[in-house]
Order: sequence, then C-alpha cells, then structure tokens
Amino acid sequence: EPEVTQTPSHQVTQMGQEVILRCVPISNHLYFYWYRQILGQKVEFLVSFYNNEISEKSEIFDDQFSVERPDGSNFTLKIRSTKLEDSAMYFCAQGAARETQYFGPGTRLLVL
Amino acid sequence: GDSVTQMEGPVTLSEEAFLTINCTYTATGYPSLFWYVQYPGEGLQLLLKATKADDKGSNKGFEATYRKETTSFHLEKGSVQVSDSAVYFCALSDKRTGFQKLVFGTGTRLLVSP
Repeated sequence: EPEVTQTPSHQVTQMGQEVILRCVPISNHLYFYWYRQILGQKVEFLVSFYNNEISEKSEIFDDQFSVERPDGSNFTLKIRSTKLEDSAMYFCAQGAARETQYFGPGTRLLVL
Repeated sequence: GDSVTQMEGPVTLSEEAFLTINCTYTATGYPSLFWYVQYPGEGLQLLLKATKADDKGSNKGFEATYRKETTSFHLEKGSVQVSDSAVYFCALSDKRTGFQKLVFGTGTRLLVSP
C-alpha cells in the first residue's frame, strides 16, 4: 500500500488563527481528498480535488476552508479562522484512480 | 442519502477465536464497499474492497462478501491474533457520484486478548 505523508502530525493553535495542513503527493496519484474525525465520531468527508479544482465538497467545507495544490506540490487544507469545533484529526487521502483511496496518518489539530 | 451501519463495539475476543463484524449499507446506486483498519495511533489502512455484488474481498486472513440482497458486507476472520486489535471501519463509495467520497460507518473496536 502506498505510504501517504502528512505534516504536521500535531498542531495546537489559538481560536481565530489560520492553520495549513499539508499532504505530500505520490507521483502517480491524481485524486486528493480531505476527511476529518472528531474524537469519538465518524470519519467525515470534507472535499475532493482533481485536476486543480474541487470536484465535490460537503456541507462542513464552508468559506473558512480552502484547498490547493500549487504547481503540483503539496496538497494543502487551509482553515482561515479556526474555531474550537475544528479540533479533530484531519486525514488526507489520495489515489491514482477514483475508486481506491489511500489515507495518511492524519494531523491532530487542537484549537484552544 | 447513503449511509453505513456497523455493529457497536468493543468486540472482545480471545486469540484464535472467530471474528464477525457486521456492516450494512443504504445506497440508491451501486456502491463499492470497503473495510479500513485503524491501528492505535495510526491512520486508516485499506484492508479489503469489493466493487460489485457477490464479489469477495480478502486480505491478511480477513474476508468480506458483497451481498446485494441483504445490503451487507460483513467482515470475517477465522482466527484472530492479538495484533488484529484495532478499530475497523466499513465504508462505501457510490458510483453515481463518480467515487468522489467515502461514507464511513462509526467504526468497531476489536480487542483481542492472549
């Protein structure tokens, strides 16, 4: 199974601050996703990204969230002004085909 | 909308016992079905998948059969090991949405004692 890398592994931030989470692309992977898991709850889909644009997003993915992959570099998730309820584990997933997604180890975000 | 229901955990077994973790789904299309495993402190790893009715996915001694008539994808293993202790997630992706997202169940924690 391909090994997906995410940075940082942990992030602590103050409410209202911006955070950027990163996911390193594997060379033949074209499809990228972000999911989150609030402690003790389900893994929830946030957004999917292909060919430099968002292909689908959930209701959670509001104007405070954005994704990009500038020039084929890291796939990033930005949260502009964090809220307490954004505290969660954020998983990047990616794949060479849409049908199978490989997950990274996650970034644990704590908003104080 | 699409949804996945898993049995409540934790499931507690002794080593070498038989494992079943139930998973049922609701989808209006023809989903692909997956089992992911999350070991303590790690991310989600794809364990197995099945893309159409009657397909059997298998990996590392685990298997699951896509049953369209009962909308189920139960995970089984004949003889569990302590190292199988983890949280297991059943998930689907719907072909109608172009496989854009995975819908997960709540996860079932498996604890295996020596």
